[in-house]
Amino acid sequence: GQQVMQIPQYQHVQEGEDFTTYCNSSTTLSNIQWYKQRPGGHPVFLIQLVKSGEVKKQKRLTFQFGEAKKNSSLHITATQTTDVGTYFCAGQSGNTGKLIFGQGTTLQVKP
Amino acid sequence: SAVISQKPSRDICQRGTSLTIQCQVDSQVTMMFWYRQQPGQSLTLIATANQGSEATYESGFVIDKFPISRPNLTFSTLTVSNMSPEDSSIYLCSVVSGQKNTGELFFGEGSRLTVL
Repeated sequence: GQQVMQIPQYQHVQEGEDFTTYCNSSTTLSNIQWYKQRPGGHPVFLIQLVKSGEVKKQKRLTFQFGEAKKNSSLHITATQTTDVGTYFCAGQSGNTGKLIFGQGTTLQVKP
Repeated sequence: SAVISQKPSRDICQRGTSLTIQCQVDSQVTMMFWYRQQPGQSLTLIATANQGSEATYESGFVIDKFPISRPNLTFSTLTVSNMSPEDSSIYLCSVVSGQKNTGELFFGEGSRLTVL
């Protein structure tokens, strides 16, 4: 079945450093979504990428969708302590609506 | 957007018992999903709750263990049956807003179950 792999599992950075997490799917995706889960909270939607090669920005966050629509990345510039949490990519295939989540990358930011 | 109320928010259960989790959405939605998140792990899809028909289960999950009801377009329940400590987890209800089949998922706050 469809698998979504995400690396790294953990990342510790000093405040102000950049951070990147990578996501790879075993199958071509119709879209990919990114979620953030704060400790003790539930996943919250960040963004959805649909088009091949798409790049979207949200302030310090940059999201990319690969040309083959099988990989994606999230890059955070100049991390802040508020960026702490686990970032999940989630791939969607076809029109079933269901999302397959990657393992997540847990970001710790040292002030 | 969609606002999801999920209860119980947490419970401590005895081995061998069953617990039903309720999920109420503030609007009619076509797609409802149940996920499990074990401690420190990712989200694993249990099943898609279909209105008016049986739920569609993912590999590794069966109806006898996780019976699901979906009586209407705003409500669903997930029962965790004959619980064992391995079922200790957070169970999350999620929906795609409105009548769409694709798009962002909205999650409930989750039900944290501890099985002793």
